[in-house]
Amino acid sequence: EVQLVESGGGLVQPGGSLRLSCTASGFTFSSFSMNWVRQAPGKGLEWVSYITSGSSTINYADSVKGRFTISRDNAKKSLYLQMNSLRDEDTAVYYCARRTGAPPYFDYWGQGTLVTVSS
Amino acid sequence: EIVLTQSPGTLSLSPGERATLSCRASQSVSSSSLAWYQQKPGQAPRLLIYGASSRATGIPDRFSGSGSGTDFTLTIGRLEPEDFAVYYCQQYGSSPPRYTFGQGTKLEIK
Repeated sequence: EVQLVESGGGLVQPGGSLRLSCTASGFTFSSFSMNWVRQAPGKGLEWVSYITSGSSTINYADSVKGRFTISRDNAKKSLYLQMNSLRDEDTAVYYCARRTGAPPYFDYWGQGTLVTVSS
Repeated sequence: EIVLTQSPGTLSLSPGERATLSCRASQSVSSSSLAWYQQKPGQAPRLLIYGASSRATGIPDRFSGSGSGTDFTLTIGRLEPEDFAVYYCQQYGSSPPRYTFGQGTKLEIK
């Protein structure tokens, strides 16, 4: 069974940093591109970033470019999101999602981790 | 940048009725790049449809997708109580690579 489990969320002050993790099981993690998608409270879904299986290609949404860094460790079956210079508007549930298909879509999602940016 | 507009914002129907949800793109997109997701309160989104019309694994056949160009539709043939949720369309664009979601349609029990 495919499972994605996020962790690392919490309360952080504006301007602060946080690192999210996503641990995968039930599939060959090193064969799949992975993504972060977020959802502000009561709002819709917003794609944040993606990374290919071997980390050769990385992309970010304009709203986080220069502040967030996606990475992965295939040996640990883990995906990461380093978030710096956090703003109030970064408050959201952050989901990791597996990418598949061509053109790609998200076939499995974690349960999400809540990041709250507030003073 | 492509914008996806979903309508209606809220759809009120009764179990057993047929639901038709719309997703309109601001410019023509490849139908193979269009997906639909279902999200229930407190849960992660779940993939329903990819490639505009292909059902994901385990999705009941009362869910169907159609459309091309700028207009796409998710149809739920006969609503079950567990179908009441928020539905999102999503499009993948390759230049630059990015994913765009519609704002969602809330399907509520009438």
